[in-house]
Amino acid sequence: EVQLVQSGAEVKKPGESLRISCKSSGYSFTNFWIGWVRQMPGKGLEWMGIIYPGDSDTRYSPSFQGQVTISVDKSFSTAYLQWSSLKASDTAMYYCARHSGLPDYWGQGTLVTVSS
Amino acid sequence: QSVLTQPPSASGTPGQRVTISCSGSSSNIGSNTVNWYQQLPGTAPKLLIYSNDQRPSGVPDRFSGSRSGTSASLAISGLQSEDEADYYCSAWDDRLYGFFGGGTKLTVL
Repeated sequence: EVQLVQSGAEVKKPGESLRISCKSSGYSFTNFWIGWVRQMPGKGLEWMGIIYPGDSDTRYSPSFQGQVTISVDKSFSTAYLQWSSLKASDTAMYYCARHSGLPDYWGQGTLVTVSS
Repeated sequence: QSVLTQPPSASGTPGQRVTISCSGSSSNIGSNTVNWYQQLPGTAPKLLIYSNDQRPSGVPDRFSGSRSGTSASLAISGLQSEDEADYYCSAWDDRLYGFFGGGTKLTVL
């Protein structure tokens, strides 16, 4: 059974750094792209970017290029989404999703709250 | 403003058939397949339709998808109260990244 399990909710202050994680199981981690999707409070889904764990090839939406970093650790079948300096506007639910072309299996979501 | 355009809302009564549209362009829907997702309140999205018209195992055949030119549609027949949710279309773009539609909130009256 394919499962993506994300790390728990985070509360951070503006300017702080953060890395959230998504651990995959039930499939060959290095053979599927995996990516991140943002959902701001009361809003729709936004595709952020994806990474291919086999060679770490990464693609970002222009809206998120330079704002976040997507990475993987193949030895732990885990993908990461990282910010170096959070803003209040980063407050959102973040979902990881395995991609078979487009997202198919989804994690449960990680709520990130950025507030002073 | 999303690149893929969906109506913000749709509604129907139990047993009715409703359709939700998704309009794109030649660089996304016109040249790539479309997925549809259902998001129940407070939960993660769930894959409903993939490759324009394919249902994953476990999705009732009341849900169907189609694509024509630069548009796609999701149809739900025999509407049930548990179908009340947000629905999103998604397509890959030839500029090498993905898009979601703005989402459609379906209300079962």
